[in-house]
Amino acid sequence: DAKTTQPNSMESNEEEPVHLPCNHSTISGTDYIHWYRQLPSQGPEYVIHGLTSNVNNRMASLAIAEDRKSSTLILHRATLRDAAVYYCILRDRSPRYDKIIFGKGTRLHILP
Amino acid sequence: DGGITQSPKYLFRKEGQNVTLSCEQNLNHDAMYWYRQDPGQGLRLIYYSQIVNDFQKGDIAEGYSVSREKKESFPLTVTSAQKNPTAFYLCASSFLPTGSGSGRYEQYFGPGTRLTVT
Repeated sequence: DAKTTQPNSMESNEEEPVHLPCNHSTISGTDYIHWYRQLPSQGPEYVIHGLTSNVNNRMASLAIAEDRKSSTLILHRATLRDAAVYYCILRDRSPRYDKIIFGKGTRLHILP
Repeated sequence: DGGITQSPKYLFRKEGQNVTLSCEQNLNHDAMYWYRQDPGQGLRLIYYSQIVNDFQKGDIAEGYSVSREKKESFPLTVTSAQKNPTAFYLCASSFLPTGSGSGRYEQYFGPGTRLTVT
C-alpha cells in the first residue's frame, strides 16, 4: 500500500496562507490524494481530494505535482479554527479492497 | 439531517468483558469502516464493509468482530481477546457504487467513542 510522508508539525500566523506538504513517492496511477483534518477529540473531517489536476473548494486548494509524487494543501487565509491535525492519504480508484493508511499527519498551530 | 452517529460518546468497561460500539448512518452509503486511534497517533483500520453481509479485515482486526446486517448499521464488538482495548474508536462511511473504486469518494466520520477498559 502506498504511504505518505508529512512534517510532524507546522506553525502559521492567523490570516496568512498556509502550505501543508505531503510526499507520496510510491503513488500508483489509480490513487486519489485525499486530505482530512481532525480537531481534538473529534472525528476527522474531509477537506479536499484530487487525482491529477489542482482542485479548489470552499475550504482549501490542492496543488498536485506534475509527477504526482507530492502535493500541497493550501489554506488561503488561516484562522484559529484551522488549528488541527491534517492527514494526507491515498485512496485507490480501482474496485478492489479499500485499505486506507492514515499516518500521524501534520499538527498545524495557528498563532494569533 | 443526514449523518453518521456513534454511541455512546464515552464507555467504561471492566477487563474481560465484551463491549459493542454502535455506528449508524443515514447517508445511504455503501461502505462503512472502523478505525482505532491511540493518543498522538494516526488512525488504524480495524474492519471495513463494502456491502451488506460482507466485511474485510483491516490492519488490526485481532480481538475485534463486526457485523453488517443492514446497510445503515455496522456495530463493532471489542472482545476480551483484545489486549489493549482502551482507545478512541471512529466509524466512517463512504459512497461506493458497485464496480467503482473508492478513491473518488470522501469518507464521512462519526464523532467517535472513547472506550476505557480497567
